[in-house]
Amino acid sequence: KQEVTQIPAALSVPEGENLVLNCSFTDSAIYNLQWFRQDPGKGLTSLLLIQSSQREQTSGRLNASLDKSSGRSTLYIAASQPGDSATYLCAVRQDTGFQKLVFGTGTRLLVSP
Amino acid sequence: DAGVIQSPRHEVTEMGQEVTLRCKPISGHDYLFWYRQTMMRGLELLIYFNNNVPIDDSGMPEDRFSAKMPNASFSTLKIQPSEPRDSAVYFCASSFTDRELFFGEGSRLTVL
Repeated sequence: KQEVTQIPAALSVPEGENLVLNCSFTDSAIYNLQWFRQDPGKGLTSLLLIQSSQREQTSGRLNASLDKSSGRSTLYIAASQPGDSATYLCAVRQDTGFQKLVFGTGTRLLVSP
Repeated sequence: DAGVIQSPRHEVTEMGQEVTLRCKPISGHDYLFWYRQTMMRGLELLIYFNNNVPIDDSGMPEDRFSAKMPNASFSTLKIQPSEPRDSAVYFCASSFTDRELFFGEGSRLTVL
């Protein structure tokens, strides 16, 4: 059974810092991996989708990498801003039954001005 | 596109009452998912549909829960009778094949 872990559970940084959020998964037979952010009381917003054949994806200040063989993905946020404060979740799609995303428990990020 | 639209945003009801949550997926998307989010259990997949047909309902907690998708632009999740332990945020999400999953804003359910 696929298990997705995100460490740390919470992170607090001053504005302007570059930071890395981690996502680990136990079964490397994944189809793709998606990063989301969730603001309090809101739904999940898709940030980046990485296919299993890809190593990384970039969108603005965000860069997500994928190392399928080691069961790891990272989300790099450059020059963090207070508006980046949110909970970040990763979710993996399996090779089989690939519509069933398995979510991590998230990292709660606070960027202080 | 307006995105995935859910209603109601908030629902407070008493134990034993019937609750109906509604979802309009993004036009053109062929997959629709219902998730439940709680502090204790995180995000749980309840059921998903492909082209309006339920594919996997193994996450539905018990017979009190039912979901329908009568057409490509509408789905409901019904709880009858509701119980306090059903209190959670219920999300609807949609995607086109295996591409990005898009979520609605959620329906926050409180059962007293």
